[in-house]
Amino acid sequence: DSGVTQTPKHLITATGQRVTLRCSPRSGDLSVYWYQQSLDQGLQFLIQYYNGEERAKGNILERFSAQQFPDLHSELNLSSLELGDSALYFCASSATGLGSYEQYFGPGTRLTVT
Amino acid sequence: GENVEQHPSTLSVQEGDSAVIKCTYSDSASNYFPWYKQELGKRPQLIIDIRSNVGEKKDQRIAVTLNKTAKHFSLHITETQPEDSAVYFCAAHTGRRALTFGSGTRLQVQP
Repeated sequence: DSGVTQTPKHLITATGQRVTLRCSPRSGDLSVYWYQQSLDQGLQFLIQYYNGEERAKGNILERFSAQQFPDLHSELNLSSLELGDSALYFCASSATGLGSYEQYFGPGTRLTVT
Repeated sequence: GENVEQHPSTLSVQEGDSAVIKCTYSDSASNYFPWYKQELGKRPQLIIDIRSNVGEKKDQRIAVTLNKTAKHFSLHITETQPEDSAVYFCAAHTGRRALTFGSGTRLQVQP
């Protein structure tokens, strides 16, 4: 157990809908990262937050957005969902915003868009 | 931005043999290189990492080597066991953004 929690574990929804994925970092970690992993694919970095502020952006679609709250949990919002958005979504946390420290991954949320 | 290439994409070895996975990176400013193991449907787990001021690091049956001049790093697993079967990802970090991952190596250890 990495100490990073994600909810829900599974999500099935229809095209065009909007969903919210939630992540709680390890105790004391200030940075949260979101990654997308499509079937048999690698890990694509989406976005990073550090202590409530957006720190870095990767290949995140405009239909996707995220935020980190004062209690440091983070939410990833996916809207106007398409079939291609079906994937495993992981969040990871680390102690500092620089990212040069270990990142620990949560168990992931499996999103299925039908 | 950073680009990480990983080889091979699949690797099959006999139990007890060694396995080597290699990665190259493009950004000479990269300073942190972790390796993750991911079993089917599960989260990536950090198994070993190395920083740019170190050439080699070992933890029991796994080791990582780094050649900064050539910009490549490798994962070595000795005395492989069936439970080592998984997908292994290398990654590199420059300090500017999150980790850039390689495409993964599916390791299968045949009993």
